Amino acid sequence: GAGVSQSPSNKVTEKGKDVELRCDPISGHTALYWYRQSLGQGLEFLIYFQGNSAPDKSGLPSDRFSAERTGGSVSTLTIQRTQQEDSAVYLCASSLTGTNTGELFFGEGSRLTVL
Amino acid sequence: AQKVTQAQTEISVVEKEDVTLDCVYETRDTTYYLFWYKQPPSGELVFLIRRNSFDEQNEISGRYSWNFQKSTSSFNFTITASQVVDSAVYFCAIHGSSNTGKLIFGQGTTLQVKP
Repeated sequence: GAGVSQSPSNKVTEKGKDVELRCDPISGHTALYWYRQSLGQGLEFLIYFQGNSAPDKSGLPSDRFSAERTGGSVSTLTIQRTQQEDSAVYLCASSLTGTNTGELFFGEGSRLTVL
Repeated sequence: AQKVTQAQTEISVVEKEDVTLDCVYETRDTTYYLFWYKQPPSGELVFLIRRNSFDEQNEISGRYSWNFQKSTSSFNFTITASQVVDSAVYFCAIHGSSNTGKLIFGQGTTLQVKP
């Protein structure tokens, strides 16, 4: 596609349920990133993929959070046993190479609300 | 560790006023890149500029200009003759050699331009 696509755009779930958020990066981009933006907060890094590998997953807040990327393309962020503090906008970004010279292209985000 | 500080949480100006958004960064890297992104109400972050640590020349793009000063570790962003469409959240970010591809963002500055 022309840009980074994320789905769902909005998700409301009950505490304790699992959720999956999907990111479809720009075709040909090898690097993919997940960030979290809580209300009034900046962007918090979660995980970085280069191809299908995740060389940096240091930002995942707990073992309830996991992510995978298959075929060097689509990525899924899974949150198990959701808690109210997980409510946030989850942003996905991709870049051509993942080097420090590249700009990140962001999707519009998936807004997660945990009741 | 790298850090970006945007001390201004919110700024409100009247259309046609000039406005400067401050960004101060911390890094131990000698080679690094600085970025500004704009997040309009739609939520999708839009890349504005990338500047590498070896290039301290100021840059102007239309009504936008950036002042990079290594001596004060600052990368400030000025909008001249602001317009209502400039209303958004603006993020400053840094990428260094130790970042494994990720950007470290500041907390963001919300700019409101009133007609």
